[in-house]
Amino acid sequence: AQSVAQPEDQVNVAEGNPLTVKCTYSVSGNPYLFWYVQYPNRGLQFLLKYITGDNLVKGSYGFEAEFNKSQTSFHLKKPSALVSDSALYFCAVRDMRNAGNNRKLIWGLGTSLAVNP
Amino acid sequence: SAVISQKPSRDICQRGTSLTIQCQVDSQVTMMFWYRQQPGQSLTLIATANQGSEATYESGFVIDKFPISRPNLTFSTLTVSNMSPEDSSIYLCSVEIRARGTDTQYFGPGTRLTVL
Repeated sequence: AQSVAQPEDQVNVAEGNPLTVKCTYSVSGNPYLFWYVQYPNRGLQFLLKYITGDNLVKGSYGFEAEFNKSQTSFHLKKPSALVSDSALYFCAVRDMRNAGNNRKLIWGLGTSLAVNP
Repeated sequence: SAVISQKPSRDICQRGTSLTIQCQVDSQVTMMFWYRQQPGQSLTLIATANQGSEATYESGFVIDKFPISRPNLTFSTLTVSNMSPEDSSIYLCSVEIRARGTDTQYFGPGTRLTVL
C-alpha cells in the first residue's frame, strides 16, 4: 500500500537558520513526489516535485528537496528561513505505475512550520 | 500552472440544506479532484471527476451526499446535500496539469463551509 509519513507535526526554526521538513514514503514502484505549502486561510500551492533524474530538486521561494531512494525520503529544505515561510507543508506521493482514475495523490498529515523572528 | 477559482469562498448554512460549490479553471483539463480539509489538517479526497464520465468516489463518500457535475473541461460543481454540522470543513478543488514530464495538481482557494 502507498503511504506518506511526515514525522513532525510542528517544526520551529529561527529566522535566518536552515530549515528541514521531513517526509518518508512507501510505494510499490517508483515514486512521483510532491511538496505543497498552505498559508493561513489559503489554498494549497505547489512548491516542487521529483520525477526522475537529479536527486536534488529546486522549487519556488528558494525551497529545495532531496530524494533519497535508499532511505525512501524526500525532505524539504531551505538554507535560510524567513518569517513569511511560516505555513503548513504537505508531502504527497504517487506511484509512477498508476494510471487513469487510480493516479490520485497520497498525502501526508502535514507539518506546521513556525519561523521565529 | 492554472488559475482556479471557487465560489462561494465561504458560507454559513443551516442543517438539512444543500450547497453547491463551483470550480472554474482557465484552461481545459481532463481530471479534476474534490477534497475536504479540516482546518490545519490533511486533505481527504472525496472524488475524481473526469469530463464525460461519472465521478469516482472514495471510500466513505457517496454520490447521493456529494453529487458532482463535470459538464465541460473547465468547470465542475460539488454539492453537499442534506448538510449536518459534521460537514463543516474546507472544500478544495484541484486540477491536473501535465508539466515537465508528469501531471501536477493545482488547487483552488477553497470554500469554507460552516453548518449550524
